[in-house]
Amino acid sequence: NAGVTQTPKFQVLKTGQSMTLQCAQDMNHEYMSWYRQDPGMGLRLIHYSVGAGITDQGEVPNGYNVSRSTTEDFPLRLLSAAPSQTSVYFCASSNAGNRNSPLHFGNGTRLTVT
Amino acid sequence: SQQGEEDPQALSIQEGENATMNCSYKTSINNLQWYRQNSGRGLVHLILIRSNEREKHSGRLRVTLDTSKKSSSLLITASRAADTASYFCATALTGANNLFFGTGTRLTVIP
Repeated sequence: NAGVTQTPKFQVLKTGQSMTLQCAQDMNHEYMSWYRQDPGMGLRLIHYSVGAGITDQGEVPNGYNVSRSTTEDFPLRLLSAAPSQTSVYFCASSNAGNRNSPLHFGNGTRLTVT
Repeated sequence: SQQGEEDPQALSIQEGENATMNCSYKTSINNLQWYRQNSGRGLVHLILIRSNEREKHSGRLRVTLDTSKKSSSLLITASRAADTASYFCATALTGANNLFFGTGTRLTVIP
């Protein structure tokens, strides 16, 4: 049981480049989300999805796009990378039908934008 | 803005001692959760306490919740070197789908 899998683990981009961070879960979870983690800032919610075909914005959505075509996958797209997007990105999933269900996290993607 | 704030930001103790971390939050919650993060890894869920609960135990972990003060504490008893990690509280707000995380407490347990 792989849980939540994120790829790549590390990525370096130049300003203006685009890329997609991949996230897949094999637990049949309805809820998936993306957070970014910055020193001293904790984790901040970027986008989330409560099921296939449904996405919504979190606290810091600007500069990021998401889609949810399947239950398993929830990719995060950076359209034009900026140095301010240098961060560690975490994908997480849970059983959306139970608000008391904990989040399961991937091991993160460390992104550097130069 | 951050929903939760942990205190202290960093804590260093000797193995065998107890560690206490506190979390304060701002608005009405459905539940509050604590997570641990080892260096370079994702967060791992430790314990969840519902808004109508005041105390919960799981192994060496004890969590309390005071909704009147909008605060929670996490106690780790008889700490071990393997408990060295960052600990985060996260709040599930009433009527919301998402979890909002605090800034974390960095715990170092010295062998």
